[in-house]
Amino acid sequence: GAVVSQHPSWVICKSGTSVKIECRSLDFQATTMFWYRQFPKQSLMLMATSNEGSKATYEQGVEKDKFLINHASLTLSTLTVTSAHPEDSSFYICSAVLAGGSTDTQYFGPGTRLTVL
Amino acid sequence: AQSVTQLDSHVSVSEGTPVLLRCNYSSSYSPSLFWYVQHPNKGLQLLLKYTSAATLVKGINGFEAEFKKSETSFHLTKPSAHMSDAAEYFCVVTFSGGYNKLIFGAGTRLAVHP
Repeated sequence: GAVVSQHPSWVICKSGTSVKIECRSLDFQATTMFWYRQFPKQSLMLMATSNEGSKATYEQGVEKDKFLINHASLTLSTLTVTSAHPEDSSFYICSAVLAGGSTDTQYFGPGTRLTVL
Repeated sequence: AQSVTQLDSHVSVSEGTPVLLRCNYSSSYSPSLFWYVQHPNKGLQLLLKYTSAATLVKGINGFEAEFKKSETSFHLTKPSAHMSDAAEYFCVVTFSGGYNKLIFGAGTRLAVHP
């Protein structure tokens, strides 16, 4: 149980285009999902918190107009990287919290590797 | 501020020998501490979690960690390494400040040799 999927698992795009990454909780409902970014050989950095039906909360230094987050249902959150540039190339990981559960128990997706040419 | 330091970026052991991955934390509040493992192309998996109950925490796959408040440490150990333990391990801290955020350490890559 508590499986989280991400789609796509990897994507290559041209500079200036937008890319959408989906995060789905497959067998549970998640009122809260988190988006992380992981640079090569580095740790995970929290980008934003996504709450179903409300605006995402972004961490300091994360451009909300560049990284659009939508959490339209209890099983789906999307991260759209707008006007992507090579410096946006990274590994993006989402996590989901069981509805009614503590946010310190997060179930992680397998990640999406984004490469911007 | 809350932070976590993993003292070794790489650890290499032989199969069947003990594993020790070191983690120190900094927290003004009573922390919750976790160890996660990340295998290639798989999501992070929770190994174990400390939340102010027993200081010795047993996790999955034979791993355990001991919370030592006096040393502000939460080292991960396993008596006997398996080849399948080769992965990236993250020590994570959070605190109940009305909103739990996971703060990740830099990670330790564990290599297991035959």
